Amino acid sequence: QKEVEQNSGPLSVPEGAIASLNCTYSDRGSQSFFWYRQYSGKSPELIMFIYSNGDKEDGRFTAQLNKASQYVSLLIRDSQPSDSATYLCAVNTYLGGATNKLIFGTGTLLAVQP
Amino acid sequence: DTEVTQTPKHLVMGMTNKKSLKCEQHMGHRAMYWYKQKAKKPPELMFVYSYEKLSINESVPSRFSPECPNSSLLNLHLHALQPEDSALYLCASSQDIRESGNSPLHFGNGTRLTVT
Repeated sequence: QKEVEQNSGPLSVPEGAIASLNCTYSDRGSQSFFWYRQYSGKSPELIMFIYSNGDKEDGRFTAQLNKASQYVSLLIRDSQPSDSATYLCAVNTYLGGATNKLIFGTGTLLAVQP
Repeated sequence: DTEVTQTPKHLVMGMTNKKSLKCEQHMGHRAMYWYKQKAKKPPELMFVYSYEKLSINESVPSRFSPECPNSSLLNLHLHALQPEDSALYLCASSQDIRESGNSPLHFGNGTRLTVT
């Protein structure tokens, strides 16, 4: 059973700080990794995706991937109260027959304190 | 605004009712998905259509019946549901299920279903 693990939190950070969200996965063959933000009662919204080792930056967000350690993280700089949400890590897993499936972690609840 | 549109936003139905959830996308995506999400849980995959053919059925009970009339539309027909089926039902699309690279899921706003 392919797994994606996240700390459920809540992760509490003060406004303006860096929030660090972490995710580990079990399938060494996974090639694509996604971070979604989900506000309470709303649908998931894509924040970033990454598929090469290293860092990928987009505004205040940086995704980091280490395939050797099977670890992906999301850093949020200058955290704002509006960043308070559940962050879902998702990993693409190959099922065979040219078919892939996205496996979601359980999500980390981030609370940014004003 | 999301580019994947789901209707209705809310649905209350009895256990003997028949209803349908609808989803539409105009991004030219060839893969469409139904997910179910319970409170404080991650989305749980139900069905995947690739090029209008059912590609993945995650052993979903037959009271849920998907339909893909064309590449832009996806329906989920509901019949004889149970109260435990109450959840947020999410439709999503992606460019192509066969690509493991730049093919992220784009979610609709979801349908909040309550079964009484």
